[in-house]
Amino acid sequence: EVQLLESGGGLVQPGGSLRLSCAASGFTFSDYVMTWVRQAPGKGLEWVSTISGSGDKTYYADSVKGRFTISRDISENTLYLQMNYLRVEDTAVYYCAKDRTTATTYWFDPWGQGTLVTVSS
Amino acid sequence: EIVLTQSPATLSLSPGERATLSCRASLSVGIYLAWYQHKPGQAPRLLIYDASNRATGIPARFSGSGSGTDFTLTISSLEPEDFALYYCQQRRNWPLTFGGGTKVEI
Repeated sequence: EVQLLESGGGLVQPGGSLRLSCAASGFTFSDYVMTWVRQAPGKGLEWVSTISGSGDKTYYADSVKGRFTISRDISENTLYLQMNYLRVEDTAVYYCAKDRTTATTYWFDPWGQGTLVTVSS
Repeated sequence: EIVLTQSPATLSLSPGERATLSCRASLSVGIYLAWYQHKPGQAPRLLIYDASNRATGIPARFSGSGSGTDFTLTISSLEPEDFALYYCQQRRNWPLTFGGGTKVEI
């Protein structure tokens, strides 16, 4: 069974940093594109960042480009999101998601349960 | 950026009724559109991909149609567990984008 378990969320001050992790199991981690999606309180879903299976290609939403870095450790089956220079508007539940197939579809299936990041002074 | 506009924002229906949700793209996305269901406190779930293909384990009462700029998610007969938020998503162009969502409520 595929499982994705996010961790690392919490309360951080504006300008601070946080690193989110997503522990993956039940599939060959290196074969799949992985993605972070967030949902701010009372808002809809927003794509944040995507990384290729090998980790050599990364993509970012303009809202986080230059501040967030996506990476993956294939030996640990873990996806990361390093978030720097955090802003109040980055407050959200952050979900990691696996690509539906190894053929890189950019359809997200399944998703983790999410981890809450709160940026506030 | 491709903007996805979902309508209506809220759909008030009863169990057993038919739900029709719309997603309109600002540019053609071909068939590169998916639908997700999201319940509070839970992980979103992929329902439909490539406009009309049901994801693994999704009941047949869920169906998707459309191409280009106009897409529809239909739930043929609402079950109590179907009352939730629904989002469309496109993968035609970067950045990947989601619609604003439609809430299906009792």
